[in-house]
Amino acid sequence: NAGVMQNPRHLVRRRGQEARLRCSPVKGHSHVYWYRQLPEEGLKFMVYLQKENIIDESGMPKERFSAEFPKEGPSILRIQQVVRGDSAAYFCASSPSTGGTDTQYFGPGTRLTVL
Amino acid sequence: QKEVEQNSGPLSVPEGAIASLNCTYSDRGSQSFFWYRQYSGKSPELIMFIYSNGDKEDGRFTAQLNKASQYVSLLIRDSQPSDSATYLCAVPRGNDYKLSFGAGTTVTVRA
Repeated sequence: NAGVMQNPRHLVRRRGQEARLRCSPVKGHSHVYWYRQLPEEGLKFMVYLQKENIIDESGMPKERFSAEFPKEGPSILRIQQVVRGDSAAYFCASSPSTGGTDTQYFGPGTRLTVL
Repeated sequence: QKEVEQNSGPLSVPEGAIASLNCTYSDRGSQSFFWYRQYSGKSPELIMFIYSNGDKEDGRFTAQLNKASQYVSLLIRDSQPSDSATYLCAVPRGNDYKLSFGAGTTVTVRA
């Protein structure tokens, strides 16, 4: 029973480069969430996706950030032209369905460092 | 007012004692409440969820919910050094899917 998988676990980028973070949900889960945890801060919701659909991206910065969850393959969080302020831990979570009572299970996270 | 607030830490307790963690939330429509544990440098791990007023026990953990007071707590009985971590209270807004997290309370259990 594989849990949520994320890769890479650590990613180093220079300012202006692109960062691509991948997330494979728990098998059978069709709902994926991305959260960001800045140093010394709490987890903040970024985006919620179902297969081939972005349901809610209200927590994601309007520029440079995008997310997708294709029919086949993992969910991707893409950050273009990274800046130092993007350095954070990015966590993906998945749930079997939606609604406030559903438990979200978190992956190990990708720690992005922007030099 | 923050959506989810937790008692400020850090909280230091001796081994074998009870650690008490508090959380208040602002949305009266919230229906479910989650406690996650996060070790340093690791991802959040679900340890408890509670939907109904009252107490819910799971091993050494007890969650207590009071919707009228918009308050949820977590008790850790017989605290062990392995319980040393940051505990995050998470609340979806209403019946929403977006979890709002508190800033976390860091617990240190002294051997």
